[in-house]
Amino acid sequence: GAVVSQHPSWVICKSGTSVKIECRSLDFQATTMFWYRQFPKQSLMLMATSNEGSKATYEQGVEKDKFLINHASLTLSTLTVTSAHPEDSSFYICSATRWAVMDTQYFGPGTRLTVL
Amino acid sequence: SQQGEEDPQALSIQEGENATMNCSYKTSINNLQWYRQNSGRGLVHLILIRSNEREKHSGRLRVTLDTSKKSSSLLITASRAADTASYFCATDGDETSGSRLTFGEGTQLTVNP
Repeated sequence: GAVVSQHPSWVICKSGTSVKIECRSLDFQATTMFWYRQFPKQSLMLMATSNEGSKATYEQGVEKDKFLINHASLTLSTLTVTSAHPEDSSFYICSATRWAVMDTQYFGPGTRLTVL
Repeated sequence: SQQGEEDPQALSIQEGENATMNCSYKTSINNLQWYRQNSGRGLVHLILIRSNEREKHSGRLRVTLDTSKKSSSLLITASRAADTASYFCATDGDETSGSRLTFGEGTQLTVNP
């Protein structure tokens, strides 16, 4: 149990376009979802924390107008990278917690974004 | 900012040997967790140790926590080639941080067959 999926697994887009990444908890209701980015051979950096039905809380230095997060239901959160630039190329990973085990995050498989 | 520091950054061993990775952190914590990441994949939760625990075992994994030194270690015994991956520690801070995790820089483990 506690499976998190992401879609797409990889995406290539042109500079200036917007890209939407979905994160779904498949077999549980997620109390909170998190979005991370990871550059090659580096650690995960938390971008934002998202709760269903409320505005996401962004980490310092993360532009909320550039990385739009929508958490419409207890099983789905989306991250939209707006007006993407090559420096936005990265590995984006989401995670989710569930009510019974809030101190454990279940991670999705990640989405590789390449902006040309 | 990343509060966790891990050493070594990279570790290469032979199958059957033990692998030890260390993690240090700076602030008080509720718990510390270890995750594994295969190249280009998501993270897999390995083990969680609470701030009032000193040692925990799970299969071939042994985790220690020394809150006085703000450090933790992950020991993988009898390593296998399939253990090749990056290993990250992550700390869950005080109540004000909610469930937010702060990840260490990671250790790249290579187990040679």
